[in-house]
Amino acid sequence: RKEVEQDPGPFNVPEGATVAFNCTYSNSASQSFFWYRQDCRKEPKLLMSVYSSGNEDGRFTAQLNRASQYISLLIRDSKLSDSATYLCVVNSEGSQGNLIFGKGTKLSVKP
Amino acid sequence: NAGVTQTPKFQVLKTGQSMTLQCAQDMNHEYMSWYRQDPGMGLRLIHYSVGAGITDQGEVPNGYNVSRSTTEDFPLRLLSAAPSQTSVYFCASSYSRTGVSPLHFGNGTRLTVT
Repeated sequence: RKEVEQDPGPFNVPEGATVAFNCTYSNSASQSFFWYRQDCRKEPKLLMSVYSSGNEDGRFTAQLNRASQYISLLIRDSKLSDSATYLCVVNSEGSQGNLIFGKGTKLSVKP
Repeated sequence: NAGVTQTPKFQVLKTGQSMTLQCAQDMNHEYMSWYRQDPGMGLRLIHYSVGAGITDQGEVPNGYNVSRSTTEDFPLRLLSAAPSQTSVYFCASSYSRTGVSPLHFGNGTRLTVT
């Protein structure tokens, strides 16, 4: 099992839709979880950290399920500007805490 | 505040040539790292450093060297470029040594080896 797995998509949704991405991770000892956003030909940028109790930032909600070892990202009221690739990131405690990136899920929001 | 600065943005090398990708950060971050990103492969860790004078290998270190003589700088050296090293390279830094704080990325270097 790969360390961090994501559905590559693409997810094609209309403006205003709600869309959810899941990500599974293999190391039960992982302690830190993030969602990054990467625009085409740009560097990844932090979207939000994921906390145990779940957290929300505007239209974005992140959840963590430690028992099943997955994290999720929910985007409500999608905007055209949300079109990007979303990267799931987990720290790998066995590698001195380096961050492991999923391959990303591509989202395309259409008018 | 410049954050993480990478140079050059683009580079074309011939097989066998060597070069150094520069990375500097002005956030006084202890942790710095180099990733490469290839289509379908995601971001893979090449080398990392948890502080000045300390470096270690990541997932794909072969063909690359690093050094960390100062907190600010973390150059990546390609010893003898190969076509398999054609990729986009990202330097990143974070406040924490232990992977609990997020990474801040530079703009990337697009390298082509012919």
